[in-house]
Amino acid sequence: QLQLQESGPGLVKPSETLSLTCTVSGDSISTSSYHWGWIRQPPGKGLEWIGSVYYSGSTDYNPSLKSRVTISVDTSKNQFSLKLTSVTAADTAVYYCARPRYGSGSYFFWGQGTLVNV
Amino acid sequence: EIVLTQSPVTLSLSPGERATLSCRASQRVSSSYLAWYQQKPGQAPRLLIYGASIRATGIPDRFSGSGSGTDFTLTISRLEPEDFAVYYCQQYGSSPFTFGPGTKVDIK
Repeated sequence: QLQLQESGPGLVKPSETLSLTCTVSGDSISTSSYHWGWIRQPPGKGLEWIGSVYYSGSTDYNPSLKSRVTISVDTSKNQFSLKLTSVTAADTAVYYCARPRYGSGSYFFWGQGTLVNV
Repeated sequence: EIVLTQSPVTLSLSPGERATLSCRASQRVSSSYLAWYQQKPGQAPRLLIYGASIRATGIPDRFSGSGSGTDFTLTISRLEPEDFAVYYCQQYGSSPFTFGPGTKVDIK
């Protein structure tokens, strides 16, 4: 069974870079035909799609964050990562990594989420 | 960017009642790439419906989705105690993928 686990600092200072990693078990990113995604949720608020990455490294970002976001994949470690630069308090959120099961875009598999405070 | 609007904001119902949740898109959602999620406090969202009307694996048949174009509906035929939660719609037909603001189904 596919499992996703987010990891990274729970506290980031304003203007610094938020860095998170999603470790995948039960599937191989390098042979998977899915786009691996990052979604976030500020406390008490709704969901926001940050972007996604394919095993080849091709990416798709939300334009609202595009200037600050980098999503990358490390197939040797079976991980993909999120970097968000110049963070502010508005970036405080639970960050989820996720993967579709049916085609692309509807996320069936989710990590437990990790709260990042700025 | 496709903006999704959900109504009502809150739906207060009793167990056994029928719940009807609406999701309206600002533009046509291509190929009915519309999903519904359920989220409970402290948990990650759970995919219920994809492709507007296809139940995800393991989802009870009391959950059903319908609609196309710009208007979509999630129906819960008979509410079970575990169904009281927040429900989000999401379109994934065009980038950026977007979510609606959610409908909270709470106990009356």
